[in-house]
Amino acid sequence: QVQLEESGGGVVQPGRSLRLSCVASGFTFSRYGIHWVRHSPGKGLEWVAVISDEGDNTYYADSVKGRFTISRDNSKNTLYLHMNSLRVEDTAVYYCAKDEDVVSGYMDVWGEGTTVTVSS
Amino acid sequence: QSVLTQPPSVSEAPRQRVTISCSGSIPNIGNNAVNWYQKFPGKAPKLLIYYDDLRPSGVSDRFSGSRSGTSASLAISGLRSEDEADYFCAAWDDDLNGHVFGGGTKLTVL
Repeated sequence: QVQLEESGGGVVQPGRSLRLSCVASGFTFSRYGIHWVRHSPGKGLEWVAVISDEGDNTYYADSVKGRFTISRDNSKNTLYLHMNSLRVEDTAVYYCAKDEDVVSGYMDVWGEGTTVTVSS
Repeated sequence: QSVLTQPPSVSEAPRQRVTISCSGSIPNIGNNAVNWYQKFPGKAPKLLIYYDDLRPSGVSDRFSGSRSGTSASLAISGLRSEDEADYFCAAWDDDLNGHVFGGGTKLTVL
């Protein structure tokens, strides 16, 4: 069964850091790009970042560029999102999603999400 | 403000047909395929339509998609109460070098 499972969310103060993880199972993780997408009620779905299958290409939304870093460890079937200098507006449910291709295809498998709350 | 523009809400009676529009520009919808996602509150998004008009296995043929120029649309026929959800269009944007989503459309089945 193809599956993604996020973890690492929590409540954090503005300006602090947090690392999210996403563990994959049921498919050959190293063959696909993986995205982070977030959802907050006031903003709808917002694409955050994507990393290519081998991790040599990464792309970010302008809203997180310079603060967030996406990475992966293919030996552990795990994706990461390192979030620094967190802002209140980063509060959202964060989903990892598998790309059907490298980075610009459609997202065919999604995790259940992990909640990040940035608040003082 | 989203790069792709969708109506915030649409509503229609059961068994009727509704269309949700998604308007973009050349770098996104003009150059790249559009995908649609269905999202229920508290649940993960689900791929509904990919490559403009293709349905993943298991998605009802009541859902259909199309793209023309810099716009796309999602049509849902034979509306059922269980179709009440938020629907999002998305595409790769060549200028932004990233994916862009529409703001989402909340479907209400009257």
